[in-house]
Amino acid sequence: GIQVEQSPPDLILQEGANSTLRCNFSDSVNNLQWFHQNPWGQLINLFYIPSGTKQNGRLSATTVATERYSLLYISSSQTTDSGVYFCAVGYGGSQGNLIFGKGTKLSVKP
Amino acid sequence: NAGVTQTPKFQVLKTGQSMTLQCAQDMNHNSMYWYRQDPGMGLRLIYYSASEGTTDKGEVPNGYNVSRLNKREFSLRLESAAPSQTSVYFCASSIGPGYGYTFGSGTRLTVV
Repeated sequence: GIQVEQSPPDLILQEGANSTLRCNFSDSVNNLQWFHQNPWGQLINLFYIPSGTKQNGRLSATTVATERYSLLYISSSQTTDSGVYFCAVGYGGSQGNLIFGKGTKLSVKP
Repeated sequence: NAGVTQTPKFQVLKTGQSMTLQCAQDMNHNSMYWYRQDPGMGLRLIYYSASEGTTDKGEVPNGYNVSRLNKREFSLRLESAAPSQTSVYFCASSIGPGYGYTFGSGTRLTVV
């Protein structure tokens, strides 16, 4: 099956710093989503982005489907950005059945 | 607007007991999903329902059954709980297979 690898596994930032999280996948996908799991466990959908670039406030994401990777950019990080960021992909006729990476744990220090 | 509602939020079971996890969404979504999250493993798909009246196995279906009661509700049943089923269970929904997910707040289940 398809493999999803996220890097780095852990990231510590000072408030105000910028960061880039990466998601590599081993096969063609037609569904890619980024999620944030906050310290209380809630999973929030950040982007649905099987290709192209999207921006939402301080967050933006780019997926280069032909090269099998996606990037999540966080600018001017805040302590509330802390948590785990998951990339998840779907492919073929099962595009709705997301395969999750193991996540990047982000800690933003004041 | 509640989104996806899961009940209960916490549960402790003894080995061999049965229980049903409930999930309901009020967004008129067609597709619904059950995932489990274990430390260091990310989320893994247990069962899904692409549309009302259909259910299919995901990556880790053994020991579970599901029912898509109607368009709003999708329940997960553990017939005979085992310690290996200790996990956090998440329900999610989407308009359809190619659209973004909305997750519920999760059920933390411990089997002793």
